[in-house]
Amino acid sequence: GENVEQHPSTLSVQEGDSAVIKCTYSDSASNYFPWYKQELGKRPQLIIDIRSNVGEKKDQRIAVTLNKTAKHFSLHITETQPEDSAVYFCAASRGDNFNKFYFGSGTKLNVKP
Amino acid sequence: GAGVSQSPSNKVTEKGKDVELRCDPISGHTALYWYRQSLGQGLEFLIYFQGNSAPDKSGLPSDRFSAERTGGSVSTLTIQRTQQEDSAVYLCASSFDRGDTEAFFGQGTRLTVV
Repeated sequence: GENVEQHPSTLSVQEGDSAVIKCTYSDSASNYFPWYKQELGKRPQLIIDIRSNVGEKKDQRIAVTLNKTAKHFSLHITETQPEDSAVYFCAASRGDNFNKFYFGSGTKLNVKP
Repeated sequence: GAGVSQSPSNKVTEKGKDVELRCDPISGHTALYWYRQSLGQGLEFLIYFQGNSAPDKSGLPSDRFSAERTGGSVSTLTIQRTQQEDSAVYLCASSFDRGDTEAFFGQGTRLTVV
Protein backbone atom coordinates (compact mmCIF):
# COMPACT_ATOMS: atom_id res chain seq x y z
CA GLY A 1 0.00 0.00 0.00
CA GLU A 2 0.85 3.67 -0.04
CA ASN A 3 3.22 5.18 2.54
CA VAL A 4 3.19 8.93 3.05
CA GLU A 5 5.96 10.57 5.08
CA GLN A 6 5.75 14.18 6.22
CA HIS A 7 8.44 16.55 7.51
CA PRO A 8 9.02 18.40 9.70
CA SER A 9 6.82 17.29 12.59
CA THR A 10 6.97 20.77 14.10
CA LEU A 11 7.79 24.11 12.52
CA SER A 12 8.09 27.47 14.18
CA VAL A 13 8.33 30.64 12.10
CA GLN A 14 8.12 34.37 12.70
CA GLU A 15 5.04 36.15 11.45
CA GLY A 16 5.61 37.27 7.87
CA ASP A 17 8.12 34.53 7.10
CA SER A 18 7.45 31.60 4.77
CA ALA A 19 6.78 28.03 5.84
CA VAL A 20 7.40 24.89 3.82
CA ILE A 21 6.13 21.41 4.64
CA LYS A 22 7.27 18.41 2.61
CA CYS A 23 5.75 15.01 1.94
CA THR A 24 6.93 11.96 0.08
CA TYR A 25 4.84 9.05 -1.13
CA SER A 26 5.64 5.55 -2.32
CA ASP A 27 2.88 4.51 -4.74
CA SER A 28 3.58 5.83 -8.22
CA ALA A 29 -0.10 5.31 -9.04
CA SER A 30 -1.15 8.02 -6.57
CA ASN A 31 -2.42 11.04 -8.44
CA TYR A 32 -4.35 13.19 -5.98
CA PHE A 33 -2.64 15.08 -3.16
CA PRO A 34 -4.74 17.15 -0.77
CA TRP A 35 -3.59 19.20 2.19
CA TYR A 36 -5.69 19.54 5.31
CA LYS A 37 -5.45 22.10 8.11
CA GLN A 38 -6.58 21.20 11.59
CA GLU A 39 -6.88 24.01 14.12
CA LEU A 40 -6.81 23.13 17.78
CA GLY A 41 -9.95 21.26 18.77
CA LYS A 42 -11.41 21.46 15.26
CA ARG A 43 -11.91 19.04 12.42
CA PRO A 44 -9.41 18.79 9.53
CA GLN A 45 -10.42 20.91 6.56
CA LEU A 46 -9.13 20.91 3.01
CA ILE A 47 -7.07 23.98 2.17
CA ILE A 48 -5.62 23.07 -1.22
CA ASP A 49 -5.17 20.03 -3.42
CA ILE A 50 -3.25 19.10 -6.53
CA ARG A 51 -3.67 16.45 -9.17
CA SER A 52 -0.86 14.76 -11.00
CA ASN A 53 -1.49 16.53 -14.27
CA VAL A 54 -0.16 19.79 -12.84
CA GLY A 55 3.10 20.65 -11.11
CA GLU A 56 2.03 23.65 -9.06
CA LYS A 57 -1.13 25.26 -7.79
CA LYS A 58 -1.57 28.53 -5.92
CA ASP A 59 -4.36 30.01 -3.86
CA GLN A 60 -3.49 33.41 -2.42
CA ARG A 61 -0.77 32.81 0.20
CA ILE A 62 -0.64 29.06 -0.14
CA ALA A 63 0.81 26.94 -2.91
CA VAL A 64 1.47 23.29 -3.48
CA THR A 65 4.14 21.81 -5.74
CA LEU A 66 4.32 18.26 -7.00
CA ASN A 67 7.27 16.31 -8.38
CA LYS A 68 5.91 13.01 -9.67
CA THR A 69 9.30 11.72 -10.73
CA ALA A 70 10.71 12.13 -7.24
CA LYS A 71 7.37 11.30 -5.62
CA HIS A 72 7.25 14.30 -3.37
CA PHE A 73 4.98 17.29 -2.88
CA SER A 74 5.22 20.36 -0.72
CA LEU A 75 3.02 23.00 0.86
CA HIS A 76 4.27 26.58 0.82
CA ILE A 77 2.73 29.30 2.97
CA THR A 78 3.99 32.83 2.38
CA GLU A 79 3.60 35.88 4.62
CA THR A 80 2.54 33.67 7.51
CA GLN A 81 0.06 35.00 10.04
CA PRO A 82 -0.76 33.82 13.58
CA GLU A 83 -4.02 32.32 12.31
CA ASP A 84 -1.97 29.96 10.15
CA SER A 85 -0.91 28.21 13.36
CA ALA A 86 -2.38 24.70 13.16
CA VAL A 87 -1.53 21.13 12.31
CA TYR A 88 -1.21 20.44 8.60
CA PHE A 89 -1.68 17.00 7.07
CA CYS A 90 -0.74 15.93 3.58
CA ALA A 91 -2.41 12.96 1.94
CA ALA A 92 -2.24 10.86 -1.20
CA SER A 93 -4.72 8.72 -3.05
CA ARG A 94 -4.96 6.97 -6.40
CA GLY A 95 -8.13 8.80 -7.25
CA ASP A 96 -9.86 5.78 -8.73
CA ASN A 97 -12.88 3.94 -7.53
CA PHE A 98 -12.65 2.13 -4.23
CA ASN A 99 -9.73 4.16 -3.03
CA LYS A 100 -8.75 5.66 0.30
CA PHE A 101 -6.64 8.52 1.52
CA TYR A 102 -3.26 7.90 3.12
CA PHE A 103 -2.32 10.71 5.48
CA GLY A 104 1.07 11.95 6.57
CA SER A 105 1.81 12.19 10.29
CA GLY A 106 1.17 15.93 10.43
CA THR A 107 3.18 19.11 10.95
CA LYS A 108 2.45 21.45 13.81
CA LEU A 109 3.05 24.98 12.56
CA ASN A 110 3.50 27.74 15.10
CA VAL A 111 3.57 31.31 13.77
CA LYS A 112 5.02 33.66 16.36
CA PRO A 113 3.67 37.23 16.34
CA GLY B 1 -27.47 17.47 6.10
CA ALA B 2 -25.07 20.34 5.62
CA GLY B 3 -22.01 18.40 6.77
CA VAL B 4 -20.76 15.18 8.32
CA SER B 5 -22.37 14.71 11.69
CA GLN B 6 -21.01 12.57 14.49
CA SER B 7 -22.54 11.61 17.79
CA PRO B 8 -21.97 11.78 20.61
CA SER B 9 -19.48 14.65 20.73
CA ASN B 10 -18.01 13.32 23.94
CA LYS B 11 -18.24 9.91 25.55
CA VAL B 12 -16.84 8.84 28.88
CA THR B 13 -17.04 5.13 29.56
CA GLU B 14 -15.72 2.68 32.07
CA LYS B 15 -13.03 0.23 31.09
CA GLY B 16 -14.58 -2.99 29.83
CA LYS B 17 -17.80 -1.44 28.56
CA ASP B 18 -18.88 -1.40 24.92
CA VAL B 19 -19.39 1.88 23.06
CA GLU B 20 -21.04 2.83 19.78
CA LEU B 21 -20.04 5.89 17.81
CA ARG B 22 -22.25 7.18 15.04
CA CYS B 23 -21.45 8.95 11.79
CA ASP B 24 -23.97 10.54 9.46
CA PRO B 25 -22.21 11.37 6.18
CA ILE B 26 -23.08 14.03 3.65
CA SER B 27 -26.01 12.96 1.51
CA GLY B 28 -24.84 11.41 -1.76
CA HIS B 29 -21.37 10.57 -0.51
CA THR B 30 -20.67 6.90 -1.13
CA ALA B 31 -17.23 6.79 0.50
CA LEU B 32 -17.00 6.85 4.30
CA TYR B 33 -13.85 6.69 6.43
CA TRP B 34 -13.13 6.28 10.11
CA TYR B 35 -9.90 7.61 11.61
CA ARG B 36 -8.57 7.69 15.14
CA GLN B 37 -6.55 10.61 16.47
CA SER B 38 -4.78 10.34 19.78
CA LEU B 39 -3.81 13.56 21.56
CA GLY B 40 -1.31 15.49 19.47
CA GLN B 41 -0.97 12.65 17.00
CA GLY B 42 -1.80 12.03 13.35
CA LEU B 43 -4.77 10.44 11.64
CA GLU B 44 -4.77 6.68 12.09
CA PHE B 45 -6.85 4.94 9.42
CA LEU B 46 -9.36 2.46 10.79
CA ILE B 47 -11.86 1.44 8.12
CA TYR B 48 -13.17 2.55 4.73
CA PHE B 49 -16.57 1.92 3.14
CA GLN B 50 -17.19 2.47 -0.57
CA GLY B 51 -20.69 1.95 -1.87
CA ASN B 52 -21.78 -1.66 -1.75
CA SER B 53 -18.26 -3.06 -1.87
CA ALA B 54 -16.74 -4.98 1.00
CA PRO B 55 -15.17 -2.50 3.44
CA ASP B 56 -11.43 -2.12 3.83
CA LYS B 57 -10.92 -3.10 7.46
CA SER B 58 -7.14 -3.20 7.32
CA GLY B 59 -6.71 -0.43 9.87
CA LEU B 60 -8.80 -1.85 12.70
CA PRO B 61 -6.36 -2.34 15.61
CA SER B 62 -8.00 -5.40 17.13
CA ASP B 63 -11.07 -7.62 16.91
CA ARG B 64 -12.67 -5.46 19.60
CA PHE B 65 -13.27 -2.87 16.87
CA SER B 66 -15.97 -3.28 14.24
CA ALA B 67 -17.98 -1.00 12.02
CA GLU B 68 -20.99 -1.24 9.82
CA ARG B 69 -22.72 1.01 7.38
CA THR B 70 -26.42 0.53 6.93
CA GLY B 71 -28.17 1.39 3.69
CA GLY B 72 -25.05 3.02 2.33
CA SER B 73 -25.48 5.97 4.67
CA VAL B 74 -25.11 6.04 8.45
CA SER B 75 -22.15 4.21 9.94
CA THR B 76 -21.58 2.91 13.45
CA LEU B 77 -18.17 2.18 14.92
CA THR B 78 -18.35 -0.25 17.83
CA ILE B 79 -15.61 -0.80 20.37
CA GLN B 80 -16.13 -3.76 22.64
CA ARG B 81 -14.56 -4.17 26.07
CA THR B 82 -12.98 -0.74 25.93
CA GLN B 83 -9.44 -0.23 27.20
CA GLN B 84 -7.74 2.96 28.36
CA GLU B 85 -5.60 3.01 25.22
CA ASP B 86 -8.79 3.37 23.18
CA SER B 87 -9.12 6.92 24.50
CA ALA B 88 -8.85 9.23 21.50
CA VAL B 89 -10.87 11.36 19.11
CA TYR B 90 -12.63 9.26 16.50
CA LEU B 91 -13.13 11.13 13.23
CA CYS B 92 -15.43 10.19 10.42
CA ALA B 93 -15.12 11.56 6.89
CA SER B 94 -17.09 11.14 3.69
CA SER B 95 -16.55 11.90 0.02
CA PHE B 96 -17.97 11.19 -3.39
CA ASP B 97 -17.16 7.85 -4.90
CA ARG B 98 -13.81 8.71 -6.38
CA GLY B 99 -10.65 9.08 -4.31
CA ASP B 100 -9.72 12.36 -5.97
CA THR B 101 -12.41 14.45 -4.37
CA GLU B 102 -12.44 16.29 -1.08
CA ALA B 103 -13.06 14.30 2.05
CA PHE B 104 -15.22 16.17 4.56
CA PHE B 105 -14.63 15.44 8.21
CA GLY B 106 -17.08 15.37 11.07
CA GLN B 107 -16.31 17.14 14.32
CA GLY B 108 -15.27 13.88 15.94
CA THR B 109 -16.23 11.94 19.04
CA ARG B 110 -13.87 12.34 21.98
CA LEU B 111 -13.80 8.99 23.77
CA THR B 112 -12.40 8.77 27.27
CA VAL B 113 -12.06 5.37 28.92
CA VAL B 114 -11.68 5.58 32.69
